[in-house]
Amino acid sequence: KAGVTQTPRYLIKTRGQQVTLSCSPISGHRSVSWYQQTPGQGLQFLFEYFSETQRNKGNFPGRFSGRQFSNSRSEMNVSTLELGDSALYLCASSSGWDISYEQYFGPGTRLTVT
Amino acid sequence: GQQLNQSPQSMFIQEGEDVSMNCTSSSIFNTWLWYKQDPGEGPVLLIALYKAGELTSNGRLTAQFGITRKDSFLNISASIPSDVGIYFCAGQLLRDMRFGAGTRLTVKP
Repeated sequence: KAGVTQTPRYLIKTRGQQVTLSCSPISGHRSVSWYQQTPGQGLQFLFEYFSETQRNKGNFPGRFSGRQFSNSRSEMNVSTLELGDSALYLCASSSGWDISYEQYFGPGTRLTVT
Repeated sequence: GQQLNQSPQSMFIQEGEDVSMNCTSSSIFNTWLWYKQDPGEGPVLLIALYKAGELTSNGRLTAQFGITRKDSFLNISASIPSDVGIYFCAGQLLRDMRFGAGTRLTVKP
């Protein structure tokens, strides 16, 4: 069974631009969560999607948004990029009906904002 | 957000030694998870714990779900160089998932 895949793996953007990251969950998984990882803040929860609906949201500004498609693939968008948005963005999928099942992470997208 | 206290922050050990790390919280959780992350990669799930008091092994790894549901520990026995990485704990309650800051493990051959 293929694992969680994320594209692109690396991205360099400039301040003010926007970016879209993509995540394909493990086949059969319907819950997808997004996390931001930085050396200073560690892993921070962004949001979780299940059946194309956002079920849970972390404390991030509205510039961070996401969506999920009918095939469970998910995208995350960050608008008006700031230097502080530089981070590793991780996507995790879960087989259960709730986030409280084992989550499997993708390799992440390394975003650098200059 | 990050509301789990994970310790130690880093460890430098000799190959063959045993390692122990733990996570504590002021909140109770229904699930404890332990992950390992290599540089530039996403965390890989090592062990999942679902019941207070549960002790689970995965090869040389052993983890326990604390009886108070507010803590968990991970032991690695007979460490080898490929154990190097950052180990994270995560606690879950309903849809709330929190992570520890990680324990960076260095194994000297």
